[in-house]
Amino acid sequence: AQSVSQHNHHVILSEAASLELGCNYSYGGTVNLFWYVQYPGQHLQLLLKYFSGDPLVKGIKGFEAEFIKSKFSFNLRKPSVQWSDTAEYFCAADQTGANNLFFGTGTRLTVIP
Amino acid sequence: SAVISQKPSRDICQRGTSLTIQCQVDSQVTMMFWYRQQPGQSLTLIATANQGSEATYESGFVIDKFPISRPNLTFSTLTVSNMSPEDSSIYLCSVGGRGGELFFGEGSRLTVL
Repeated sequence: AQSVSQHNHHVILSEAASLELGCNYSYGGTVNLFWYVQYPGQHLQLLLKYFSGDPLVKGIKGFEAEFIKSKFSFNLRKPSVQWSDTAEYFCAADQTGANNLFFGTGTRLTVIP
Repeated sequence: SAVISQKPSRDICQRGTSLTIQCQVDSQVTMMFWYRQQPGQSLTLIATANQGSEATYESGFVIDKFPISRPNLTFSTLTVSNMSPEDSSIYLCSVGGRGGELFFGEGSRLTVL
């Protein structure tokens, strides 16, 4: 069955620490990958996406993600987090190309000033 | 990007009643998607709503429980029928972008007593 796994449920970091959130998917073949963020009280927003090409994808607010096909992974990274990065982060995958996204369970990030 | 408005933003309902959630988009879109986000869980696709045809439901969701209307290209409704406490959740409307991503409304938080 298709699935997206985020193994970190809650991550707590101090400001300026580096961030890496794990995401693994179970699809074979071509897959489109996404990271979304949900700040407290706000709607889901797209951080970045990968369809093809360079496996290192840069998104908004200094985030990036690396697609590693051999590991079925699409981990999200940021070299130095800020308090304003406190949010819930969701990884998602779409094998159909028809906006049919499957989401991971999300990772809550708390950044301590 | 698309601007998506949902009503109500939150509601508290009694068991056995029904609630209709409205979704308005600021541009014409072919497909609209309804997701559910249960407490502590991932987003789950309920159904895809195309204008002028019956909605397509995902496994585990049925039309009798979650009837959907799609009267035009900018509007859709989702009804949660005969509610039970297990239906307490955030219901999200979304539309697809040209790049394969989804844009989300702010969600409707439903609590069933």
